[in-house]
Amino acid sequence: NAGVTQTPKFRVLKTGQSMTLLCAQDMNHEYMYWYRQDPGMGLRLIHYSVGEGTTAKGEVPDGYNVSRLKKQNFLLGLESAAPSQTSVYFCASSTHGVNTQYFGPGTRLTVL
Amino acid sequence: KQEVTQIPAALSVPEGENLVLNCSFTDSAIYNLQWFRQDPGKGLTSLLLIQSSQREQTSGRLNASLDKSSGRSTLYIAASQPGDSATYLCAAPYNNNDMRFGAGTRLTVKP
Repeated sequence: NAGVTQTPKFRVLKTGQSMTLLCAQDMNHEYMYWYRQDPGMGLRLIHYSVGEGTTAKGEVPDGYNVSRLKKQNFLLGLESAAPSQTSVYFCASSTHGVNTQYFGPGTRLTVL
Repeated sequence: KQEVTQIPAALSVPEGENLVLNCSFTDSAIYNLQWFRQDPGKGLTSLLLIQSSQREQTSGRLNASLDKSSGRSTLYIAASQPGDSATYLCAAPYNNNDMRFGAGTRLTVKP
């Protein structure tokens, strides 16, 4: 039982490049989330999904897109990376929005 | 809008000391409140979840309390150990699908 996994663990991009972060969970959770964590700040919700085929905006969605084609996977895309998107990105899943969230190990992204 | 604040930002204590971490939230109409632990370079691990109908929740040396009327929660750690050194974050629901996190308290327990 791997829980929540994230790919890749580290990535360096140049401004304007695109990339996709992959999150996978094997707990059959309905809800999945993408957060970013910046120094001195708490986690901020980017996008979330309440089930396969659904997505919704969180607190800081601009510059990101997501897709949930399969229940176990939640993809986060950056179409044109900017230095302001340098951050650590965490994926999480839960059975319901008000229940305990289980987090992945994070992806450290640097945009030059 | 739900805003979550944690004070202090950092705390250093000698091993064996009992300590309290504080969390405050602005919207008291919460369904529950959660406490997480984050080790450096790692993801978050859930420690305790307190339902709105509960006043406190315990797990081993950890005890979390919730006072909705005052918008406060505390995490009490008894007999602290160096292995407790980590960042502790609290989170409160903004709506049924969204969580708002505090910036965390970085705890150092010195041997």
